[in-house]
Amino acid sequence: AQTVTQSQPEMSVQEAETVTLSCTYDTSESDYYLFWYKQPPSRQMILVIRQEAYKQQNATENRFSVNFQKAAKSFSLKISDSQLGDAAMYFCAYLVNAGGTSYGKLTFGQGTILTVHP
Amino acid sequence: DGGITQSPKYLFRKEGQNVTLSCEQNLNHDAMYWYRQDPGQGLRLIYYSQIVNDFQKGDIAEGYSVSREKKESFPLTVTSAQKNPTAFYLCASTARVFETNTGELFFGEGSRLTVL
Repeated sequence: AQTVTQSQPEMSVQEAETVTLSCTYDTSESDYYLFWYKQPPSRQMILVIRQEAYKQQNATENRFSVNFQKAAKSFSLKISDSQLGDAAMYFCAYLVNAGGTSYGKLTFGQGTILTVHP
Repeated sequence: DGGITQSPKYLFRKEGQNVTLSCEQNLNHDAMYWYRQDPGQGLRLIYYSQIVNDFQKGDIAEGYSVSREKKESFPLTVTSAQKNPTAFYLCASTARVFETNTGELFFGEGSRLTVL
């Protein structure tokens, strides 16, 4: 069974600084997707960034980037120039690419609460 | 605007009662999901449906039931058999992976159920 572990229950960062959230996962599959989702106080989950396992290049979305280490099964999220609106719970998630039988069945980590200090 | 609508946002239930949480989507997505969120445990899959009139159990289906009579709707019933139903419930949907190749889930705003 796949598992996703976020070892940092809480993190904090000063506004405009950089923070990195950690995520490790365990799988025997070679083809999969990894995601970071953000859940602000409004509770609606929003996709932050997505990485395909077959791509060596790390995904980037504006101030958000990942450090994907496939051999180490590590998938950390770096938030640069942190803003007050980044404060939320962040979930790392994994999805095996097994065709139509697997889509949407994500495995989530426990979440990391990010606090941004002005 | 396309999206997923969950209702009610807050629901209180007495022990022994069944309650139904509504989830409607207008994204034309084939697949829909119900996740349960508890503090410190992330999200866990309750049920999912990849096509109308078909659904499958997830990791924690005991005490829950679903139906998928329409593509747009995937209601979740929390039955009296669910031992610890107080939680936050999230509905999600996704297009087929082989069409969009994203695997991305789209979520509703959630429903908080409290058992009194």
